[in-house]
Amino acid sequence: RKEVEQDPGPFNVPEGATVAFNCTYSNSASQSFFWYRQDCRKEPKLLMSVYSSGNEDGRFTAQLNRASQYISLLIRDSKLSDSATYLCVVLQGAQKLVFGQGTRLTINP
Amino acid sequence: EPEVTQTPSHQVTQMGQEVILRCVPISNHLYFYWYRQILGQKVEFLVSFYNNEISEKSEIFDDQFSVERPDGSNFTLKIRSTKLEDSAMYFCASREVANYGYTFGSGTRLTVV
Repeated sequence: RKEVEQDPGPFNVPEGATVAFNCTYSNSASQSFFWYRQDCRKEPKLLMSVYSSGNEDGRFTAQLNRASQYISLLIRDSKLSDSATYLCVVLQGAQKLVFGQGTRLTINP
Repeated sequence: EPEVTQTPSHQVTQMGQEVILRCVPISNHLYFYWYRQILGQKVEFLVSFYNNEISEKSEIFDDQFSVERPDGSNFTLKIRSTKLEDSAMYFCASREVANYGYTFGSGTRLTVV
């Protein structure tokens, strides 16, 4: 089983739509979780951390289900600028970020 | 906003040559990292560095790789004898000790020919 697994997509959705991404992780001892976004040929940029109680940042909502080892990201009212690859990331131990393959999202006008 | 700076942005080298990739982490950060991303693949951890020594490294980080913090501001990744499969984007990252907020540099694209 992959350490962090995501649906690679691509997702093509119209502007204004709601889109959801899912991710599973294999190491039940993992404690910290993140969503990063990566634009083409650019560095990963932190979108948001994911907390057990779920958290929201504007149009973005992240959820964590520790029992199922499942993480989700919901984007509401999608904008053209949301087009990117979304990376599910798990902190393994104290130091090492483990990245998923990423889910590519394209928002169409 | 503070940045992690990487140079060069693109390096082309011949197979078997040594390359040094350079990074200037954010000044008050104490943990430093190198990650790489082969085109079309996921971002992979290479090495973490704290207190002037390697704290963790991956299987990818073999004897051909080394890291150094030569002068208190730069953080370098050296590949001694490059192979074609070393072609990738190499990202430097740093973080403060108190939280897990990593900041990544914009990367060096290494092409081995």
